[in-house]
Amino acid sequence: DIQMTQSPSTLSRSVGDRVTITCRASQSISSWLAWYQQKPGKAPKLLISKASNLKWDVPSRFSGSGSGTEFTLTISSLQPDDFATFYCQQYSTYPYTFGQGTYLEIK
Amino acid sequence: QVQLVQSGAEVKKPGASVKVSCKASGYTFTNYYIHWVRQAPGQGLEWMGWINTNSGGTNYPEKFQGRITMTRDTSIDTVYMELSSLRFDDTATYYCAREKAAAVPNEFDHWGLGALVTVSS
Repeated sequence: DIQMTQSPSTLSRSVGDRVTITCRASQSISSWLAWYQQKPGKAPKLLISKASNLKWDVPSRFSGSGSGTEFTLTISSLQPDDFATFYCQQYSTYPYTFGQGTYLEIK
Repeated sequence: QVQLVQSGAEVKKPGASVKVSCKASGYTFTNYYIHWVRQAPGQGLEWMGWINTNSGGTNYPEKFQGRITMTRDTSIDTVYMELSSLRFDDTATYYCAREKAAAVPNEFDHWGLGALVTVSS
């Protein structure tokens, strides 16, 4: 199985900060990577597909990059609504696997 | 609008089975596969497999093989996920999510709200 490792596990930041979350795959997944945002008690929501394609209704302050085994999710200027847990997911190879999550909290 | 409406919360005893439904609306049912993902309390996301809503074909990770069955009823645009021989660590929220059917993989672009399954004696 492909292991997905996110770092850091927890981030404390302030509104307006720039944030970068890293996701590493244990083997190459090309660009078959998605990022999801999940708020407490809610279902995950898709932010980015194919490593860098922003979903149409997601604010442009979110961006994704990378290919192969290393990927990043960047939020250019944190807004109050952005505080949540973020997951990466590889959909290159079965079984699909998720990172362990990055909890972004207000500093 | 696209909706994946899941069945309600369940409480089951160890060793029992649970069947969770996911009813799709707002799009052509057979144009999208349905995946199941679960999340234990306070934990991360775990992929449980998927069903091709057109052919009925399925793919389950080894961890769940022999214990999970996904089916669909195209007459009512509904997918079912049945998990048997329940254990305490199957307590989780179970989500269905859709993936656009295509020759290449696609992301999960829409998720159900989740169904909490509690395994308790």
